[in-house]
Amino acid sequence: KAGVTQTPRYLIKTRGQQVTLSCSPISGHRSVSWYQQTPGQGLQFLFEYFSETQRNKGNFPGRFSGRQFSNSRSEMNVSTLELGDSALYLCASSSSGEPYNEQFFGPGTRLTVL
Amino acid sequence: AQKVTQAQTEISVVEKEDVTLDCVYETRDTTYYLFWYKQPPSGELVFLIRRNSFDEQNEISGRYSWNFQKSTSSFNFTITASQVVDSAVYFCALRPYYTGANSKLTFGKGITLSVRP
Repeated sequence: KAGVTQTPRYLIKTRGQQVTLSCSPISGHRSVSWYQQTPGQGLQFLFEYFSETQRNKGNFPGRFSGRQFSNSRSEMNVSTLELGDSALYLCASSSSGEPYNEQFFGPGTRLTVL
Repeated sequence: AQKVTQAQTEISVVEKEDVTLDCVYETRDTTYYLFWYKQPPSGELVFLIRRNSFDEQNEISGRYSWNFQKSTSSFNFTITASQVVDSAVYFCALRPYYTGANSKLTFGKGITLSVRP
């Protein structure tokens, strides 16, 4: 079974631009969560999608948004990039999104904002 | 509000030493799940274990063992006879028992373990 895939793996953008990151969950998984990882703040929850609906959202500004498609693939978008948005963005999928489900993580997208 | 504290930031040991990674958590929920994840240099987090708050039984899996103590809100992880391949960042995480709003996985800051040959 293929794991969680994320594209692109690396991205360099400049301040003010916008970016879209993509995540393909494990086949059959219906829940996708996004996390931001930085050296200072660690791993922080961005949002969770289940069956195309946002089920949960972390404490991030409205510049961060996401969506999930009918095939469970998910995208997250960051508009008006700031230097502080430089981070590793991790996507995780789980079968049903129940709290006891383990989450399977992708390799991440390393975003650098110049 | 939930909080996970991993007070140790970096640990360095020599191969074959035993090492314990500490995790202390705070939650107002009476039922919850605790997790440990490993993040090797490649960056991908790997699930290690899940424990629900009902079950305080310790668990052993090969060289890994976990000690959950609800009375002290701790969920510590011990690696016996450490190996170089154990070098990674280890995260402890907490999630409420319910789904929906506010049911998010909260991670600690992580512990960087270096195992020297």
